[in-house]
This record gives sequence, structure tokens and C-alpha cells, in this order.
Amino acid sequence: AQTVTQSQPEMSVQEAETVTLSCTYDTSENNYYLFWYKQPPSRQMILVIRQEAYKQQNATENRFSVNFQKAAKSFSLKISDSQLGDTAMYFCAFTPIQGAQKLVFGQGTRLTINP
Amino acid sequence: DAGVIQSPRHEVTEMGQEVTLRCKPISGHDYLFWYRQTMMRGLELLIYFNNNVPIDDSGMPEDRFSAKMPNASFSTLKIQPSEPRDSAVYFCASSLGQGLVYTFGSGTRLTVV
Repeated sequence: AQTVTQSQPEMSVQEAETVTLSCTYDTSENNYYLFWYKQPPSRQMILVIRQEAYKQQNATENRFSVNFQKAAKSFSLKISDSQLGDTAMYFCAFTPIQGAQKLVFGQGTRLTINP
Repeated sequence: DAGVIQSPRHEVTEMGQEVTLRCKPISGHDYLFWYRQTMMRGLELLIYFNNNVPIDDSGMPEDRFSAKMPNASFSTLKIQPSEPRDSAVYFCASSLGQGLVYTFGSGTRLTVV
């Protein structure tokens, strides 16, 4: 069974700082996708970034980037120049490329950006 | 596209009543998922469909829960009879193909009193 673990229940940083959220996962699959989703107080689930496991290059989306370490099964999210609007729950998620097509989520990290 | 549309946004019902949650996926998407979110258990997959066919319903908690997808543009999740422990946010999501972008609806907050 695949599992996703986020070891930081809560984090808090000052505006404009850089913050890194941790995620580890367990799977026997070789090919899969990893995601970070953001859930603001509006509760909408918003895709932040996506990484294909077969790509060695780390994905980036503007201020958001990942550090994907396949051997270590680690997938951390870095937010640069953090903004007040980044305050939200962040979920790491996994899905295999073959087989069951379902997202497995971590428990989430509550991130607060302070002014 | 309007995205994944869920209704109602909020639902308050009394224990023992039947509850029906509705979802309209993005046009052309061939996968549809129902998730439940609670503080204790996080985001759990209840069931998913591929081309309107239920593929995996192992996450459905018990026989009180049922889901249908009569066509490519509509799905329902029904709870009968409802219980207070069913109180949660229920999300519908859809995707095109395997492992591509999953788009979530705004969720239905269900409160059973």
C-alpha cells in the first residue's frame, strides 16, 4: 500500500521568507506522479505543483519549487518570497502511473504567513 | 469550463435522514472521484469511476453509502440513513487520463445533527 507522510503539522514564517514543507512517501512503484495541493480557508483544493517520477529535473512554478529525491522517497515543497495569500493547508499527494488511479494524500501541513 | 461543480455547498440534516450530494465533472474528463475530509482521518478516497463505471469502492465506509454515475456529466453520493459521524466535507474531483491534473470541486460541508 502506498502511504504519504507529512511530518510537520504546522509551520509559521514571516512574510517574504522562504519556507520548506516536507513530504515522504512509501511505494513499490517505479513510475508515479507526486503533487502538492493548497487548501486555503475557502476549502478549495488548488494544485500547486506536479512532478513526474521519471523526470530527474525538479518541477518549478513561479515561487514554488520541489526537491524530489526518488531514492529517498522525499518530495519537499519550497515557497520563496512567501506572501500572506500563501496561508493555507498544504497536502502532498501520490498516484501511480499504472494501476489504481487515485490520489493518496498526506495529513497536511498548516502554513501561516505572518505580516 | 466552469470546473467541477458540487451541490449543495452546505447541508445540515438530522440523523436518520437521507442525504444526496451531487457532482458535475469537467466535460471530457473520464475519471471521477469522491473524497471525504475530516480532521481525524484527513482526505480519504471513497470511490472512483472510470468512464462511468465504478472501479474501486473499497473506501466506502459501509452500506449506508452509495454512489452512482448514470452518465459522463453527473454523479451522486448518497448516505441513507445519515449519522453524526458522517459529518465531514465531501469533495468530488475529476481528471482526464491517468495521473494528469485532478480538478476538485468546492466541496459539500455535511453536518448531521
